[in-house]
Amino acid sequence: NAGVTQTPKFRVLKTGQSMTLLCAQDMNHEYMYWYRQDPGMGLRLIHYSVGEGTTAKGEVPDGYNVSRLKKQNFLLGLESAAPSQTSVYFCASSPLAGAYEQYFGPGTRLTVT
Amino acid sequence: KQEVTQIPAALSVPEGENLVLNCSFTDSAIYNLQWFRQDPGKGLTSLLLIQSSQREQTSGRLNASLDKSSGRSTLYIAASQPGDSATYLCAVRGGYQKVTFGTGTKLQVIP
Repeated sequence: NAGVTQTPKFRVLKTGQSMTLLCAQDMNHEYMYWYRQDPGMGLRLIHYSVGEGTTAKGEVPDGYNVSRLKKQNFLLGLESAAPSQTSVYFCASSPLAGAYEQYFGPGTRLTVT
Repeated sequence: KQEVTQIPAALSVPEGENLVLNCSFTDSAIYNLQWFRQDPGKGLTSLLLIQSSQREQTSGRLNASLDKSSGRSTLYIAASQPGDSATYLCAVRGGYQKVTFGTGTKLQVIP
């Protein structure tokens, strides 16, 4: 039982390049989330999914797209990377909404030059 | 809009001391509050989850309390150890999957 895993762990992109971050969970959780963490700003929700085939915008969705084709995977895409997207990205999952706790992955450190 | 504040931003204590970390939030309409620990360069590890109907939760040397009406939660760490050094984050879950995080308290326990 690996919990929540993220691929890759580190990545450096040039402005304008694209990439996809992969999050996988083996806990059969319905809900999955993508956050970014920036110094002094706490974690902010980018997008989330309440089930396979569904996605919704969070607090800071601009410049990102997501897909949840399989229940266990949640992909975060950057179509045209910008330096402002330099951050640490965390994926999380939870069984259901409301009272359930979130489980986090180890993070992906992305630098856009 | 929910705002979560953690004070102090950093704390340094000698080993063995009992300490309290604070978390305050502006909107009391929450489902739960979760305390996390984050080590440098690592992900978040869940410490305690308090449901909105609960007043406290305990795990080992950790005790978290919740006072919804006043918008406050505290994390009490007993007999602190150098291994407790980390950043502690609180997160409040509201409606529509809205989870708001504080910016954390960086704790250093000095041997």
